[in-house]
Amino acid sequence: GNSVTQMEGPVTLSEEAFLTINCTYTATGYPSLFWYVQYPGEGLQLLLKATKADDKGSNKGFEATYRKETTSFHLEKGSVQVSDSAVYFCALSYTQTGANNLFFGTGTRLTVIP
Amino acid sequence: DTAVSQTPKYLVTQMGNDKSIKCEQNLGHDTMYWYKQDSKKFLKIMFSYNNKELIINETVPNRFSPKSPDKAHLNLHINSLELGDSAVYFCASSHSGQGYRELFFGEGSRLTVL
Repeated sequence: GNSVTQMEGPVTLSEEAFLTINCTYTATGYPSLFWYVQYPGEGLQLLLKATKADDKGSNKGFEATYRKETTSFHLEKGSVQVSDSAVYFCALSYTQTGANNLFFGTGTRLTVIP
Repeated sequence: DTAVSQTPKYLVTQMGNDKSIKCEQNLGHDTMYWYKQDSKKFLKIMFSYNNKELIINETVPNRFSPKSPDKAHLNLHINSLELGDSAVYFCASSHSGQGYRELFFGEGSRLTVL
């Protein structure tokens, strides 16, 4: 079956620290992989995605590489800012009869302190 | 311009009541979804409609009944509310078709059952 295992939070970092949030998956076939971000009081927004092995998704200084050999899609950022404080969700997708279903990890809350 | 809008944003009600949450999208998408986010931030799909037809129906009590009057709307009606129904419910929409199509999420509707 399909599942996503994500690093437990919460994570608290100082501004300009390096961030890694681990994500591994199990899936039948070759899913697309995503990181979504949920800022306080808002809905989920797509942060980045990768649709095939060895693809690197990047956005707003965040990066993640689709590693088929380790079934991983770890999120990294070299220097976090206070404005990055949010909940981050790793997800994989499969297409089912015209719909795109997303399996989400449990989310990792990141707090960045000045 | 709100792409995916949900009403109400907050709903507090008593056990046993019946309530509805409405969702509308103006993105021209033909597929809509309801996701449930519990108190631990775990997100799980409940339903998906493609062109007003139900195509994903996860293991959800039959007290939950989605209704899609047209492609731009997907409403969620819940009968005989229980304490465990307290959660944030997110509506989303996407195009359908080959390959992955990005899901766009609403801001969520927080339901509290007392």
